[in-house]
Amino acid sequence: EDKVVQSPLSLVVHEGDTVTLNCSYEVTNFRSLLWYKQEKKAPTFLFMLTSSGIEKKSGRLSSILDKKELFSILNITATQTGDSAIYLCAGGTSYGKLTFGQGTILTVHP
Amino acid sequence: GAGVSQSPSNKVTEKGKDVELRCDPISGHTALYWYRQSLGQGLEFLIYFQGNSAPDKSGLPSDRFSAERTGGSVSTLTIQRTQQEDSAVYLCASSLFGDQPQHFGDGTRLSIL
Repeated sequence: EDKVVQSPLSLVVHEGDTVTLNCSYEVTNFRSLLWYKQEKKAPTFLFMLTSSGIEKKSGRLSSILDKKELFSILNITATQTGDSAIYLCAGGTSYGKLTFGQGTILTVHP
Repeated sequence: GAGVSQSPSNKVTEKGKDVELRCDPISGHTALYWYRQSLGQGLEFLIYFQGNSAPDKSGLPSDRFSAERTGGSVSTLTIQRTQQEDSAVYLCASSLFGDQPQHFGDGTRLSIL
Protein backbone atom coordinates (compact mmCIF):
# COMPACT_ATOMS: atom_id res chain seq x y z
CA GLU A 1 0.00 0.00 0.00
CA ASP A 2 1.31 3.45 -0.92
CA LYS A 3 2.30 5.61 2.03
CA VAL A 4 3.40 9.22 2.61
CA VAL A 5 4.56 10.43 6.04
CA GLN A 6 5.11 14.06 6.99
CA SER A 7 6.96 15.50 9.94
CA PRO A 8 6.58 17.34 12.15
CA LEU A 9 2.79 17.16 12.44
CA SER A 10 2.72 20.68 13.83
CA LEU A 11 5.18 23.51 14.21
CA VAL A 12 4.97 26.90 15.94
CA VAL A 13 7.50 29.59 15.02
CA HIS A 14 7.89 33.36 15.11
CA GLU A 15 7.98 35.68 12.12
CA GLY A 16 11.37 35.72 10.51
CA ASP A 17 12.24 32.14 11.43
CA THR A 18 13.19 29.54 8.82
CA VAL A 19 11.31 26.24 8.79
CA THR A 20 11.93 22.88 7.17
CA LEU A 21 9.06 20.47 6.56
CA ASN A 22 9.78 16.82 5.84
CA CYS A 23 8.08 14.25 3.65
CA SER A 24 8.98 10.60 3.11
CA TYR A 25 7.18 8.39 0.62
CA GLU A 26 6.67 4.83 -0.54
CA VAL A 27 4.67 4.96 -3.76
CA THR A 28 4.50 2.24 -6.39
CA ASN A 29 5.03 3.58 -9.94
CA PHE A 30 6.23 6.85 -8.41
CA ARG A 31 6.60 9.75 -10.82
CA SER A 32 6.34 13.01 -8.87
CA LEU A 33 6.24 14.60 -5.43
CA LEU A 34 3.86 17.51 -4.93
CA TRP A 35 3.50 20.12 -2.20
CA TYR A 36 0.28 21.98 -1.47
CA LYS A 37 -0.67 24.75 0.98
CA GLN A 38 -4.13 24.54 2.56
CA GLU A 39 -5.56 27.49 4.40
CA LYS A 40 -9.31 27.59 4.79
CA LYS A 41 -10.58 25.49 1.92
CA ALA A 42 -8.93 24.36 -1.30
CA PRO A 43 -5.33 23.14 -1.24
CA THR A 44 -3.28 25.39 -3.51
CA PHE A 45 -0.44 23.97 -5.59
CA LEU A 46 3.12 24.94 -4.61
CA PHE A 47 5.62 22.61 -6.28
CA MET A 48 5.86 19.48 -8.37
CA LEU A 49 9.20 17.65 -8.27
CA THR A 50 10.14 14.85 -10.62
CA SER A 51 13.95 14.94 -10.67
CA SER A 52 16.29 14.23 -7.81
CA GLY A 53 18.58 16.95 -6.51
CA ILE A 54 17.09 19.87 -8.44
CA GLU A 55 15.78 22.60 -6.18
CA LYS A 56 12.58 24.38 -7.10
CA LYS A 57 12.14 27.88 -5.74
CA SER A 58 9.31 30.36 -5.50
CA GLY A 59 10.02 33.46 -3.48
CA ARG A 60 10.76 32.42 0.09
CA LEU A 61 9.72 28.81 -0.54
CA SER A 62 11.94 26.10 -1.94
CA SER A 63 11.78 22.34 -2.24
CA ILE A 64 14.00 19.46 -3.23
CA LEU A 65 13.53 15.75 -3.89
CA ASP A 66 15.83 12.84 -3.09
CA LYS A 67 14.62 9.82 -5.09
CA LYS A 68 17.30 7.55 -3.63
CA GLU A 69 16.24 8.19 -0.03
CA LEU A 70 12.53 8.64 -0.99
CA PHE A 71 12.42 12.00 0.72
CA SER A 72 11.52 15.62 0.08
CA ILE A 73 11.80 18.82 2.09
CA LEU A 74 9.99 22.13 1.88
CA ASN A 75 11.87 25.16 3.20
CA ILE A 76 10.31 28.48 4.07
CA THR A 77 12.67 31.34 4.92
CA ALA A 78 11.81 34.59 6.71
CA THR A 79 8.39 33.25 7.67
CA GLN A 80 5.38 35.56 7.81
CA THR A 81 2.01 35.19 9.56
CA GLY A 82 0.48 34.59 6.13
CA ASP A 83 2.49 31.38 5.88
CA SER A 84 0.33 29.87 8.63
CA ALA A 85 -1.45 26.94 7.01
CA ILE A 86 -1.46 23.18 6.62
CA TYR A 87 1.26 22.01 4.23
CA LEU A 88 0.43 18.80 2.38
CA CYS A 89 2.86 16.53 0.62
CA ALA A 90 1.69 13.96 -1.95
CA GLY A 91 3.35 11.21 -3.94
CA GLY A 92 2.07 10.86 -7.49
CA THR A 93 2.07 7.89 -9.84
CA SER A 94 2.75 7.93 -13.57
CA TYR A 95 -0.99 8.13 -14.24
CA GLY A 96 -1.76 10.86 -11.72
CA LYS A 97 -3.14 9.22 -8.59
CA LEU A 98 -1.92 11.10 -5.49
CA THR A 99 -1.30 9.66 -2.04
CA PHE A 100 -1.27 12.43 0.57
CA GLY A 101 0.50 12.67 3.88
CA GLN A 102 -1.36 13.80 6.97
CA GLY A 103 -0.04 17.34 6.66
CA THR A 104 2.08 19.68 8.78
CA ILE A 105 0.22 22.45 10.61
CA LEU A 106 2.45 25.54 10.59
CA THR A 107 1.63 28.44 12.90
CA VAL A 108 3.64 31.64 12.58
CA HIS A 109 3.30 34.12 15.43
CA PRO A 110 3.99 37.85 14.96
CA GLY B 1 -15.14 30.47 -13.79
CA ALA B 2 -11.43 29.84 -14.01
CA GLY B 3 -11.15 27.32 -11.20
CA VAL B 4 -12.70 24.04 -10.12
CA SER B 5 -16.24 24.63 -8.92
CA GLN B 6 -18.03 22.40 -6.42
CA SER B 7 -21.61 22.47 -5.17
CA PRO B 8 -23.13 22.60 -2.72
CA SER B 9 -20.50 24.14 -0.45
CA ASN B 10 -22.26 22.69 2.59
CA LYS B 11 -24.72 19.82 2.92
CA VAL B 12 -26.44 18.63 6.07
CA THR B 13 -28.57 15.53 5.83
CA GLU B 14 -30.03 12.77 7.95
CA LYS B 15 -28.49 9.36 8.26
CA GLY B 16 -29.86 7.01 5.62
CA LYS B 17 -30.51 9.65 2.97
CA ASP B 18 -28.76 9.77 -0.40
CA VAL B 19 -26.63 12.76 -1.38
CA GLU B 20 -25.19 14.03 -4.66
CA LEU B 21 -22.12 16.25 -4.83
CA ARG B 22 -21.20 18.07 -8.02
CA CYS B 23 -17.85 19.06 -9.50
CA ASP B 24 -17.20 21.32 -12.49
CA PRO B 25 -13.55 20.97 -13.51
CA ILE B 26 -11.37 23.58 -15.18
CA SER B 27 -12.29 23.81 -18.84
CA GLY B 28 -10.08 21.59 -21.00
CA HIS B 29 -8.81 19.44 -18.14
CA THR B 30 -8.99 15.78 -19.07
CA ALA B 31 -8.39 14.29 -15.61
CA LEU B 32 -10.75 14.60 -12.64
CA TYR B 33 -10.29 13.31 -9.10
CA TRP B 34 -12.39 13.01 -5.94
CA TYR B 35 -10.85 13.02 -2.45
CA ARG B 36 -12.25 12.95 1.06
CA GLN B 37 -10.75 14.88 3.98
CA SER B 38 -11.89 13.99 7.47
CA LEU B 39 -11.23 16.24 10.45
CA GLY B 40 -7.50 16.47 11.12
CA GLN B 41 -6.65 13.99 8.38
CA GLY B 42 -4.89 14.18 5.06
CA LEU B 43 -6.71 13.72 1.77
CA GLU B 44 -7.98 10.24 0.97
CA PHE B 45 -8.22 9.31 -2.72
CA LEU B 46 -11.65 8.10 -3.83
CA ILE B 47 -11.88 7.92 -7.63
CA TYR B 48 -10.10 9.16 -10.78
CA PHE B 49 -11.43 9.82 -14.30
CA GLN B 50 -9.08 10.23 -17.28
CA GLY B 51 -10.64 11.07 -20.62
CA ASN B 52 -12.78 8.21 -21.93
CA SER B 53 -10.91 5.51 -20.01
CA ALA B 54 -12.59 3.40 -17.35
CA PRO B 55 -12.34 5.24 -14.01
CA ASP B 56 -10.01 4.10 -11.24
CA LYS B 57 -12.47 3.35 -8.43
CA SER B 58 -9.92 1.75 -6.13
CA GLY B 59 -10.37 4.34 -3.36
CA LEU B 60 -14.14 4.13 -2.95
CA PRO B 61 -14.72 2.96 0.64
CA SER B 62 -17.91 0.96 0.01
CA ASP B 63 -20.50 0.16 -2.64
CA ARG B 64 -22.63 3.01 -1.26
CA PHE B 65 -20.27 5.37 -3.07
CA SER B 66 -20.38 5.91 -6.83
CA ALA B 67 -19.38 8.60 -9.27
CA GLU B 68 -19.88 9.45 -12.89
CA ARG B 69 -18.50 11.98 -15.28
CA THR B 70 -20.75 13.06 -18.11
CA GLY B 71 -19.41 14.27 -21.44
CA GLY B 72 -15.89 14.34 -20.10
CA SER B 73 -16.67 17.38 -17.97
CA VAL B 74 -18.98 17.63 -14.95
CA SER B 75 -18.79 14.88 -12.34
CA THR B 76 -21.23 13.78 -9.66
CA LEU B 77 -20.29 11.82 -6.55
CA THR B 78 -23.25 9.96 -5.06
CA ILE B 79 -23.38 8.52 -1.56
CA GLN B 80 -26.35 6.25 -0.86
CA ARG B 81 -27.78 5.47 2.58
CA THR B 82 -25.40 7.91 4.27
CA GLN B 83 -23.77 7.00 7.57
CA GLN B 84 -22.30 9.30 10.21
CA GLU B 85 -18.78 8.23 9.28
CA ASP B 86 -19.38 9.73 5.82
CA SER B 87 -19.17 13.19 7.40
CA ALA B 88 -16.15 14.91 5.84
CA VAL B 89 -15.10 17.49 3.29
CA TYR B 90 -15.28 16.08 -0.23
CA LEU B 91 -12.75 17.71 -2.54
CA CYS B 92 -12.64 17.55 -6.31
CA ALA B 93 -9.53 18.27 -8.38
CA SER B 94 -8.73 18.41 -12.07
CA SER B 95 -5.55 18.43 -14.13
CA LEU B 96 -4.74 19.01 -17.77
CA PHE B 97 -3.45 15.45 -18.09
CA GLY B 98 -2.99 12.70 -15.54
CA ASP B 99 0.65 13.53 -14.82
CA GLN B 100 0.17 17.27 -14.35
CA PRO B 101 -0.46 19.17 -11.07
CA GLN B 102 -3.98 18.87 -9.75
CA HIS B 103 -6.01 21.98 -8.95
CA PHE B 104 -8.63 21.72 -6.24
CA GLY B 105 -12.08 23.11 -5.67
CA ASP B 106 -13.19 24.49 -2.31
CA GLY B 107 -14.95 21.25 -1.43
CA THR B 108 -18.34 20.24 -0.10
CA ARG B 109 -18.61 19.94 3.68
CA LEU B 110 -20.97 17.02 4.31
CA SER B 111 -22.51 16.56 7.74
CA ILE B 112 -24.61 13.50 8.54
CA LEU B 113 -26.92 13.89 11.52
